[in-house]
Amino acid sequence: DAGVIQSPRHEVTEMGQEVTLRCKPISGHDYLFWYRQTMMRGLELLIYFNNNVPIDDSGMPEDRFSAKMPNASFSTLKIQPSEPRDSAVYFCASSRTDRLPQYFGPGTRLTVL
Amino acid sequence: ELKVEQNPLFLSMQEGKNYTIYCNYSTTSDRLYWYRQDPGKSLESLFVLLSNGAVKQEGRLMASLDTKARLSTLHITAAVHDLSATYFCAQTPYNTDKLIFGTGTRLQVFP
Repeated sequence: DAGVIQSPRHEVTEMGQEVTLRCKPISGHDYLFWYRQTMMRGLELLIYFNNNVPIDDSGMPEDRFSAKMPNASFSTLKIQPSEPRDSAVYFCASSRTDRLPQYFGPGTRLTVL
Repeated sequence: ELKVEQNPLFLSMQEGKNYTIYCNYSTTSDRLYWYRQDPGKSLESLFVLLSNGAVKQEGRLMASLDTKARLSTLHITAAVHDLSATYFCAQTPYNTDKLIFGTGTRLQVFP
């Protein structure tokens, strides 16, 4: 099993640019989660999907953030326009049911200059 | 407010010693998870605790759950350098599927 795949692994962009992060969950997993990790705020859940449907997006910081899951094997997290305070590591995770652990991808380290 | 607190935040311990990390959570839950994160790496699942009184052990690590006290512990026995990492507990409140992570405990084991 390839595990959760995220791309890119590193992204450096300038303030105001659009950023798109991508995630491929483990095959057969029907839950997908997007997290953000910073030193100041720790690990925060941004949004999660069940069977491709967004269930809870209460952690999305503001309208500049959006997430989609067009099919069971692909999700995107988009930031438009990006700001320096969005700099963080963004993790995608997936799980097969709600009682099994979530498996995390390697993360995308985003730097907004 | 959904809150998960860990203590200590930092732990420096000598090889061979025992210690316990505590995880308190604010809302009722029957699902508690422990993860490990090495510097610059992703999170790795260690334990899933699904009922009151659950105890899981893997090598030198043992996790337990007391849902009445809203407390989970991660006990380290005879620490070795390879256990140096940051350990997170995470809770899933009732009627949700989302994980609320604790602040993390950064463990450093020295000779």
